[in-house]
Amino acid sequence: GAVVSQHPSRVICKSGTSVKIECRSLDFQATTMFWYRQFPKQSLMLMATSNEGSKATYEQGVEKDKFLINHASLTLSTLTVTSAHPEDSSFYICSARDPRGNQPQHFGDGTRLSIL
Amino acid sequence: GDSVTQMEGPVTLSEEAFLTINCTYTATGYPSLFWYVQYPGEGLQLLLKATKADDKGSNKGFEATYRKETTSFHLEKGSVQVSDSAVYFCALTRGDAGGTSYGKLTFGQGTILTVHP
Repeated sequence: GAVVSQHPSRVICKSGTSVKIECRSLDFQATTMFWYRQFPKQSLMLMATSNEGSKATYEQGVEKDKFLINHASLTLSTLTVTSAHPEDSSFYICSARDPRGNQPQHFGDGTRLSIL
Repeated sequence: GDSVTQMEGPVTLSEEAFLTINCTYTATGYPSLFWYVQYPGEGLQLLLKATKADDKGSNKGFEATYRKETTSFHLEKGSVQVSDSAVYFCALTRGDAGGTSYGKLTFGQGTILTVHP
């Protein structure tokens, strides 16, 4: 079964709305989670690395004030897209680093964000 | 920096055909190599992995061998099924396979596979 749960799976909202996406690790504690963005027919682009109890590390070119990341517990990280606009429409995927080392990361099922 | 290059798709095959998706990488040291599969509307699932040279990863009839001399990790399957239709990503990361220190994943651009009955 899934070890990382991402919610919601789909969001459709008006321009200017802020949207929060949750990523939960279900059966392990995840000190590190990752947020990716995927454009149609393209690869995953790492947006940021979320560290429990500290500030997220953003990749070059990703706006920190636009994409707010909070990792307040060992099982939950959230990504908030603030004042979303149509160009923010995309597929967002989270993952959690596997503390047991069996594989690098476990991925959520993604969130399809559509801004009208 | 590290990079992964996959053969361009899309790839369209008939059921029971042989599949090869090429993957080459550039990295210093000894990365671990992975193939992930993404079904429509879903996240990524680990398909197989290899953590050192000459290792062969296998799962669900898919295989890939870590070739350090050619810096390649080509994905193969002898007989594809319609249910194999998905996007396949080659990826690498640094870190100790036996520990917890896997680093960031670097992905290839993905290859769309469509299998027709």
